[in-house]
Order: sequence, then structure tokens, then C-alpha cells
Amino acid sequence: DQQVKQNSPSLSVQEGRISILNCDYTNSMFDYFLWYKKYPAEGPTFLISISSIKDKNEDGRFTVFLNKSAKHLSLHIVPSQPGDSAVYFCAASSNSGNTPLVFGKGTRLSVIA
Amino acid sequence: DAGVIQSPRHEVTEMGQEVTLRCKPISGHDYLFWYRQTMMRGLELLIYFNNNVPIDDSGMPEDRFSAKMPNASFSTLKIQPSEPRDSAVYFCASSLYDGSYEQYFGPGTRLTVT
Repeated sequence: DQQVKQNSPSLSVQEGRISILNCDYTNSMFDYFLWYKKYPAEGPTFLISISSIKDKNEDGRFTVFLNKSAKHLSLHIVPSQPGDSAVYFCAASSNSGNTPLVFGKGTRLSVIA
Repeated sequence: DAGVIQSPRHEVTEMGQEVTLRCKPISGHDYLFWYRQTMMRGLELLIYFNNNVPIDDSGMPEDRFSAKMPNASFSTLKIQPSEPRDSAVYFCASSLYDGSYEQYFGPGTRLTVT
């Protein structure tokens, strides 16, 4: 069973508009969430994270929102740029410490100029 | 720092052959992870090490897969014998237990078994 789900395999957005990528999780023990970005032929790279004690974290054009009651998080990119075109993975971890991340299957974002 | 280094970047082999994937983690990191990425299953954790000791290998699909970490700067993932269904991209990642959950990934090895 998938503990972290990204139900949209792909998303297309026009340059300058907002991109919203969604992620749902089932394990209520998850207390830390991360978004990774992956370009072709490269490994995933860390983008932004959020602790379960917060409901929002912002870093430049990237904002992650966490709704614990709904077990849902989202990544907002505004404004979207062509260089944002990549696969985005949602990941979650439980307990404090360096426990393994559980990844979603990813959403491919295409930003159209 | 050069980041996590993986070799080879691409591997094409015939079914039944032994395949060895290599990883050099970031210096000073005390955790090392091996992942496999496929279209069907996304990014799956195969095994991870802490201070060179395997902690959880429950993700290793079969006995054909084995991983070692003889020292803090080197790890291998071996598949023997390889099968076409092992074709995937294999990633190595490392991290430092400093309160951050961030893992740093290598560029991956694309394995094709014919």
C-alpha cells in the first residue's frame, strides 16, 4: 500500500501562472515532509520541507502547505518558469531522527512558455 | 564537495550476468541509502546503512540482491544473477544525522538487462 500518494502523474501550466502540486499521505505518524525536484538524467534534489508543527513554509517562489487533518500537502510555485519543468516528488518521514523517507511516485510538471 | 558519486552511469548487461553498482557518499555523512526507480513503483528504498552497518534491508526484492558498505566512503549494490525485470534507475543517497531529514542523491545508474 502506498503511504504517500501523488495522484496526478502530470501537470501543464503556462509560464507566469501558479503551479499547484498535491500530495496525500496515510500514515499519521509522519511528522516531516519534503519536496524533491528531479531533472532527466539527474538525481532528485531537495527543494523545500515542512515540519508537522507548521502549516506553511515559504522559500522564494516555492511554498508548501500542510493540512494535517486532511493528511494533505501541496507545493505552490508562483510564478512558474520554464526551468521549473521537472518531476516533483513528495516525501515523508516519521519519528525524529534520520528515518528513511517514503516517496510518492512523482508528478511531471511542464511549464509552457 | 563533489556530491554523491555513482558508477557506472549506464550499464547494459545480459540476463544471468552479475551486475555491481558503486557509490561514494558525501564525506562525513553517516547514512547511506540505495533506491530503485521504476515507472510502476516510483522511488523504492532497497536498503540503508548507518555508520557502515545495514539497518533495514526489507526493501531488497530478492536474494539475488545484496549490498555492502566496507567503509564510510564506499558502498556496492550487487545483483546476481540479473533479470530483465531488474531494469531500472538505481540511486544512492547519503545524509548526515544533524536534525535535517534531507538526503543528497547521486545521479543514478541506469541498468538495462536484456
